[in-house]
Amino acid sequence: GAGVSQSPSNKVTEKGKDVELRCDPISGHTALYWYRQSLGQGLEFLIYFQGNSAPDKSGLPSDRFSAERTGGSVSTLTIQRTQQEDSAVYLCASSLSQGLYNEQFFGPGTRLTVL
Amino acid sequence: AQSVAQPEDQVNVAEGNPLTVKCTYSVSGNPYLFWYVQYPNRGLQFLLKYITGDNLVKGSYGFEAEFNKSQTSFHLKKPSALVSDSALYFCAVRAYNNNDMRFGAGTRLTVKP
Repeated sequence: GAGVSQSPSNKVTEKGKDVELRCDPISGHTALYWYRQSLGQGLEFLIYFQGNSAPDKSGLPSDRFSAERTGGSVSTLTIQRTQQEDSAVYLCASSLSQGLYNEQFFGPGTRLTVL
Repeated sequence: AQSVAQPEDQVNVAEGNPLTVKCTYSVSGNPYLFWYVQYPNRGLQFLLKYITGDNLVKGSYGFEAEFNKSQTSFHLKKPSALVSDSALYFCAVRAYNNNDMRFGAGTRLTVKP
């Protein structure tokens, strides 16, 4: 596609439920990132995928968070047993190659609200 | 670990005046520095980056930024602000050997007619 797409755009869930957030990166981009943006805060790095290499999960805040990337393309971020503090905008980004100097292209985000 | 500080939550300028959005960073080794802009209800867009070479970097929409190693700064500038420049601006840094991109908290720029 023309850009990074994310779905759903908005998700409201009840505390304790599991949620899945989807990211479709730009075709041909081998690197994919997930970030979390809380209200009034900067972006918090969550996880990084590069090709078929093991993902860098160093930013995941707890074991309730997990992510996978199938076929080197689409990625899903899963939050189990959601808590109110998980409410935020979750952003996905992709970049062209492994070079850490490459700029990232961001999706519009998924706004998650946990009641 | 690397970090970024954007000391101003809000910057207000009049249209036609020069603007500066400040950013300082901390990183071990050589930094890769980025500026992104976020317009309302839209994703972040890349503006410019410093990797190596000339300290003055030019980017999209007439923006530029100057890398100052001694002051560990990477301030964003534009000679003449437009109302359409009003948005949220993020500075980001990553170390040359680290996947983790650290973003600042953002600076909201408001350009008044």
